[in-house]
Amino acid sequence: NAGVTQTPKFRVLKTGQSMTLLCAQDMNHEYMYWYRQDPGMGLRLIHYSVGEGTTAKGEVPDGYNVSRLKKQNFLLGLESAAPSQTSVYFCASTHPIAGGGNEQYFGPGTRLTVT
Amino acid sequence: AQTVTQSQPEMSVQEAETVTLSCTYDTSESDYYLFWYKQPPSRQMILVIRQEAYKQQNATENRFSVNFQKAAKSFSLKISDSQLGDAAMYFCAYRSPGGGADGLTFGKGTHLIIQP
Repeated sequence: NAGVTQTPKFRVLKTGQSMTLLCAQDMNHEYMYWYRQDPGMGLRLIHYSVGEGTTAKGEVPDGYNVSRLKKQNFLLGLESAAPSQTSVYFCASTHPIAGGGNEQYFGPGTRLTVT
Repeated sequence: AQTVTQSQPEMSVQEAETVTLSCTYDTSESDYYLFWYKQPPSRQMILVIRQEAYKQQNATENRFSVNFQKAAKSFSLKISDSQLGDAAMYFCAYRSPGGGADGLTFGKGTHLIIQP
């Protein structure tokens, strides 16, 4: 199993450009998440999905859109990139279990720089 | 909203010694889960250990153990017999009950340095 994969691994954008980050998981997980990691800030939740066709906002959703058209894929879109969106983006997935103690499996991250 | 605080931006320990990383959290919930994740220079997030709030017994995984003080809302990580491979960023994380749908709340992390 590949686990959680992210495409691309690195990207440089100019202000105002758009792009889509792709997350794929082969573990048949229901839940998927997008986080961003900034220096000194830890990881913060952008958006999440509890199943195909559903999405919800996390802590820092502004400037991002997401879609979950297939269970195994979770896309994160930037319609008009801004320098404040320079960050490392992580995707994660997990199975729902009673109580919530299930482990989240993380992808390797995407380093995005907006100039 | 829940918050997680890691008050030590950086810690240093000699190889083979023991080190404790601190974490406190704020919540009004009585049942929840706590995690420690390790992030080496490769950037990969790796689960180290987890603790269910309703369990009084502290979790242990080989050289890693926690000191969970529910009343004090404290969740520290102890690493025994530190090894060079333990050098990494360590993040404390909180999850609400309810199946885990709404993600993790992370602290800002502690950078652990292992001195040979």
